[in-house]
Amino acid sequence: QQQVKQSPQSLIVQKGGISIINCAYENTAFDYFPWYQQFPGKGPALLIAIRPDVSEKKEGRFTISFNKSAKQFSLHIMDSQPGDSATYFCAASSTDGSEKLVFGKGTKLTVNP
Amino acid sequence: GAGVSQSPSNKVTEKGKDVELRCDPISGHTALYWYRQSLGQGLEFLIYFQGNSAPDKSGLPSDRFSAERTGGSVSTLTIQRTQQEDSAVYLCASRPDRGNYGYTFGSGTRLTVV
Repeated sequence: QQQVKQSPQSLIVQKGGISIINCAYENTAFDYFPWYQQFPGKGPALLIAIRPDVSEKKEGRFTISFNKSAKQFSLHIMDSQPGDSATYFCAASSTDGSEKLVFGKGTKLTVNP
Repeated sequence: GAGVSQSPSNKVTEKGKDVELRCDPISGHTALYWYRQSLGQGLEFLIYFQGNSAPDKSGLPSDRFSAERTGGSVSTLTIQRTQQEDSAVYLCASRPDRGNYGYTFGSGTRLTVV
């Protein structure tokens, strides 16, 4: 059972465009929703995260939108740059237990110059 | 150290051999996680350590997989009698303590079983 579903699998945008990646979760106990960015040969790096008490969080060009009733959250990358080309993973965790992250399967983003 | 260090970065082994993968977390980080990343499959949780204890081993795929952590620091993931399906990137992550969700991942060990 996949607890976090991520789409699209791949995304191509032009420089300056908006990149949008969506995730949906099933476990209502999840209360922390981060996005990770991974470049080839590197481990994932935390990009931005949100908790369910807010509907949106913005850090620079990156924004998370969160819809608790729909159990969905998304990452928006404004003014996308070629340097943003990477694989993005959404994840979710609960404060119960091990606080382990459950990851989506990733979105490979390509930003063309 | 400045980051999470994993060794070796690459490992090629023959089917049936045992392998050990090492993780050096950030100094002072009490929580340590092992994940496995297979092509197109995202990151799969394997095991969680809090200090030297492993309260959550639910992700270990079989009894060929084991892990330990000593001194609240270095962790070793051991895979016995490796199989081709074990080929993947094994990632280690650490974070300071419970409730602090700032995972820092290492660059991983790419394991290839031939």
